[in-house]
Amino acid sequence: LAKTTQPISMDSYEGQEVNITCSHNNIATNDYITWYQQFPSQGPRFIIQGYKTKVTNEVASLFIPADRKSSTLSLPRVSLSDTAVYYCLVGGLSSNTGKLIFGQGTTLQVKP
Amino acid sequence: NAGVTQTPKFQVLKTGQSMTLQCAQDMNHEYMSWYRQDPGMGLRLIHYSVGAGITDQGEVPNGYNVSRSTTEDFPLRLLSAAPSQTSVYFCASRILAGMANEQFFGPGTRLTVL
Repeated sequence: LAKTTQPISMDSYEGQEVNITCSHNNIATNDYITWYQQFPSQGPRFIIQGYKTKVTNEVASLFIPADRKSSTLSLPRVSLSDTAVYYCLVGGLSSNTGKLIFGQGTTLQVKP
Repeated sequence: NAGVTQTPKFQVLKTGQSMTLQCAQDMNHEYMSWYRQDPGMGLRLIHYSVGAGITDQGEVPNGYNVSRSTTEDFPLRLLSAAPSQTSVYFCASRILAGMANEQFFGPGTRLTVL
């Protein structure tokens, strides 16, 4: 499984756009890129997933360049409630192994 | 739907004791998994299952057993608890087919081994 590398922590202020980049140099052809959010004392929550180019939903956008060796999670106009740990995962949908491995994650601190 | 449920929420064990952490889901998901999360760390995959009767090891399987006799349930057994197994344990489930790697997580079980 491809290993991911993310910044350990990031700070931002309310109302700013936050971009968190994840490196996954060994991503395989079948692998998708998935981002999760985790608040203290809770299980992770799915945010967004993509394979290539750009994906957008009501919560975030995911940008994936053509070589797919990295991806960027973009959170528009963050609020204090976006303070959490964000995990980038790389794994295959089509295989039946189903394994999803979490890395260390990025702790985002949003300040007033 | 209740989603993914875990029991108990909290547990204290003494070294050498055994116990079973329960996990159930009512979404008819084929895939279920167990993770542990140590303080200030990310989640590590212990065991996972792609369907009833099928289980496999994750990153840190030693000291844990699992079985999957039904689609709904995926219990995690600690054979002989050790202080190094003090952690928060999360169970998760998802469908295997389709376009989503969206796992649904339970609320977690906080385990302390003395």
